[in-house]
Amino acid sequence: SQTIHQWPATLVQPVGSPLSLECTVEGTSNPNLYWYRQAAGRGLQLLFYSVGIGQISSEVPQNLSASRPQDRQFILSSKKLLLSDSGFYLCAWSVGLGTEAFFGQGTRLTVV
Amino acid sequence: DQQVKQNSPSLSVQEGRISILNCDYTNSMFDYFLWYKKYPAEGPTFLISISSIKDKNEDGRFTVFLNKSAKHLSLHIVPSQPGDSAVYFCAASGGGSQGNLIFGKGTKLSVKP
Repeated sequence: SQTIHQWPATLVQPVGSPLSLECTVEGTSNPNLYWYRQAAGRGLQLLFYSVGIGQISSEVPQNLSASRPQDRQFILSSKKLLLSDSGFYLCAWSVGLGTEAFFGQGTRLTVV
Repeated sequence: DQQVKQNSPSLSVQEGRISILNCDYTNSMFDYFLWYKKYPAEGPTFLISISSIKDKNEDGRFTVFLNKSAKHLSLHIVPSQPGDSAVYFCAASGGGSQGNLIFGKGTKLSVKP
């Protein structure tokens, strides 16, 4: 069966520090991969998605970037965190675009 | 511009009664709709979906209804249980180049014993 792992579960980082959140999927090949952010009162906002290695599409211009160095690995990064980057970050995968997406447990990021 | 709207931020229901969660959408190109359930500090879990060729899909206590002419869907939970207390997200896809899931803001359901 397919599983998705996302870490860390919580993270407190100072403003201006770098960020790296990692997500891996097991049990499937060539998944579509996603990074979402849940901010208070804003639901689930799609940040990035990837349909293959090295292929990244950004939905919202911001201080973050994403990379997919391997088929089942998706990384969310920032060179310098802002206070506004605080939120709950979720990685997800799906078989096809627009089909059921399966989420990881999320990372609570607090920028202080 | 919100393409998927959940206008009720919260809903409170007595255990054993029916919970009805509503969702409206604006993009007539959407052809696939999903409901997710989310507990605090966890990722959302997929509940049930419906294609635009159907108007109803049922899975145990959960039924989703789709009214394409009104661009409205609803999730019915019968009977409601305290363990159903969570935030429920509606999502849609298929809007032309918008292949990805577009989520609503969620409705927090509280089921009281």
